[in-house]
Amino acid sequence: ETGVTQTPRHLVMGMTNKKSLKCEQHLGHNAMYWYKQSAKKPLELMFVYSLEERVENNSVPSRFSPECPNSSHLFLHLHTLQPEDSALYLCASSQGLQLYEQYFGPGTRLTVT
Amino acid sequence: AQSVTQLDSQVPVFEEAPVELRCNYSSSVSVYLFWYVQYPNQGLQLLLKYLSGSTLVKGINGFEAEFNKSQTSFHLRKPSVHISDTAEYFCAVSESRNTGKLIFGQGTTLQVKP
Repeated sequence: ETGVTQTPRHLVMGMTNKKSLKCEQHLGHNAMYWYKQSAKKPLELMFVYSLEERVENNSVPSRFSPECPNSSHLFLHLHTLQPEDSALYLCASSQGLQLYEQYFGPGTRLTVT
Repeated sequence: AQSVTQLDSQVPVFEEAPVELRCNYSSSVSVYLFWYVQYPNQGLQLLLKYLSGSTLVKGINGFEAEFNKSQTSFHLRKPSVHISDTAEYFCAVSESRNTGKLIFGQGTTLQVKP
């Protein structure tokens, strides 16, 4: 595997389910990000991790819970979501936070029913 | 707070024609500007970035952009497009050098027709 991978690529879940999105970067980076991409809206930064510590929580509801166990892996745990949470969730990584290029994964298309 | 406006949601253009995708930002401090491209079913890929220095920035795939501080713009241009350039293009601005936080525009869909 190369670059940034995300699993699953597609996920359908009910509002009472609990699921997790996984992101893995194979680039040796030390910063990772979660973004939400909704139709007709700009990408929204959700969380930023640097050296496995959360450095940004962009007013995200508590039904989204990130986890970064090491510099290569990032999870987004989901529970009791709402239909408006349906979106493409993108993971990215970078060498550091100082304006380095962010490398994006292909995303997980989430549908909440 | 900083914001980014991409003035066109869709830009149709014929193959081999020139194209300009417009981006304006609001900021009262130094800015760092980026253009990303997203091909269907893929993540975003960096086309080019402006951090400092020359206001004309060249990127991958023949794209370039010009930083215009007086007009607070960072328009993306390509002199001759290909079918393969069909994609979504995002302009982004960074609030600072040290946060990694990017503010994105809504995106412009470039549709290249044969």
